[in-house]
Amino acid sequence: KQEVTQIPAALSVPEGENLVLNCSFTDSAIYNLQWFRQDPGKGLTSLLLIQSSQREQTSGRLNASLDKSSGRSTLYIAASQPGDSATYLCAASGSARQLTFGSGTQLTVLP
Amino acid sequence: EAGVAQSPRYKIIEKRQSVAFWCNPISGHATLYWYQQILGQGPKLLIQFQNNGVVDDSQLPKDRFSAERLKGVDSTLKIQPAKLEDSAVYLCASSLWRLAGGETGELFFGEGSRLTVL
Repeated sequence: KQEVTQIPAALSVPEGENLVLNCSFTDSAIYNLQWFRQDPGKGLTSLLLIQSSQREQTSGRLNASLDKSSGRSTLYIAASQPGDSATYLCAASGSARQLTFGSGTQLTVLP
Repeated sequence: EAGVAQSPRYKIIEKRQSVAFWCNPISGHATLYWYQQILGQGPKLLIQFQNNGVVDDSQLPKDRFSAERLKGVDSTLKIQPAKLEDSAVYLCASSLWRLAGGETGELFFGEGSRLTVL
């Protein structure tokens, strides 16, 4: 059974810092890995999807990497802004594309 | 393009009452998912449909939860009778993915339906 862990559970940084969010998963037989953003009281917004054959994906100030052999993914946020404050969730996709989620990292970017 | 639509956004009921949530996926998306998100946790899959067939309902508490997608488009999730521990946000998601393959499997989520059971 796939288990996904995100560390840290909460992170507070000053505006402008670069930061890394970590995600680990127990079963390396994943189809893809998705990173989501969740604002309070809202649904999930897809940020990046990395196929199992890929090593990284980039979108604007976001870069996500995937290392299947070690069961790890990271989300790098460059030049953080207060608007980046949210909960970030990673999810590993199984063979039928069901997602197993971590518990998330709650990010606060201080002005 | 319209996103995943869910209703109602909020519902408060007493324990042992029943409740139903509705989801309309993105047009053309064959696969529909219902997830339960308890406060402070990541979403947990309840049921996955492809068209009007069930792909995975292994984590659905079938003694009280039921879901259907009769025409392969919109879906309803019902809880009867509700318990205090069912208080959560119920998220619907859809994807282009099909069993025959060929799609990335990226999921798109609705805003969710927040249930409070008193």
